[in-house]
Amino acid sequence: DAGVTQSPTHLIKTRGQQVTLRCSPKSGHDTVSWYQQALGQGPQFIFQYYEEEERQRGNFPDRFSGHQFPNYSSELNVNALLLGDSALYLCASSLESIGYGYTFGSGTRLTVV
Amino acid sequence: AQTVTQSQPEMSVQEAETVTLSCTYDTSENNYYLFWYKQPPSRQMILVIRQEAYKQQNATENRFSVNFQKAAKSFSLKISDSQLGDTAMYFCAFMRGGGTSYGKLTFGQGTILTVHP
Repeated sequence: DAGVTQSPTHLIKTRGQQVTLRCSPKSGHDTVSWYQQALGQGPQFIFQYYEEEERQRGNFPDRFSGHQFPNYSSELNVNALLLGDSALYLCASSLESIGYGYTFGSGTRLTVV
Repeated sequence: AQTVTQSQPEMSVQEAETVTLSCTYDTSENNYYLFWYKQPPSRQMILVIRQEAYKQQNATENRFSVNFQKAAKSFSLKISDSQLGDTAMYFCAFMRGGGTSYGKLTFGQGTILTVHP
């Protein structure tokens, strides 16, 4: 049973560009969350999707947007990239009853130059 | 807003020994969940153990156990019989049990654990 799959694993972009990161949740999971993890820090919550809608959002600017598809997969889009957007982006999936915890992917390492 | 604090940036332990990682949190909620996640160099965050705040019994998963002190808002992780594969960054995380922000994990800063042979 595949876990959470994220693509690409690494990405280098130039300031001002736009990027799309992709996530396929664990089989049977319907809720997807995205986190940003700066080097040596704990992950920070970006937003969560359930039933193709953004259910809640962390303290991130509107440059960060997302989407969830009918098959529960998700995309994270970041516009007008800044150097400070360089980080590991983690996708996590769960069933709607999320008290049991999340299954995380291995992340996408984004470097903005 | 909830906050999670891990006061030990780095810890080390000899193989087969026991180590305890500390975590404190701040919340006004009564219904919540606490988690310990492990992040090895492979980057994947792996759930180690979870605790439901309304359960007084401390959670245990094989060599991993927690000491949950609700009144003190403390949630430490004890790793017994440490193994080389336990070397990783460990994160303590908090999640509300309902209402707004349900589903949002708030992480601590992490503790790097190194197990020496």
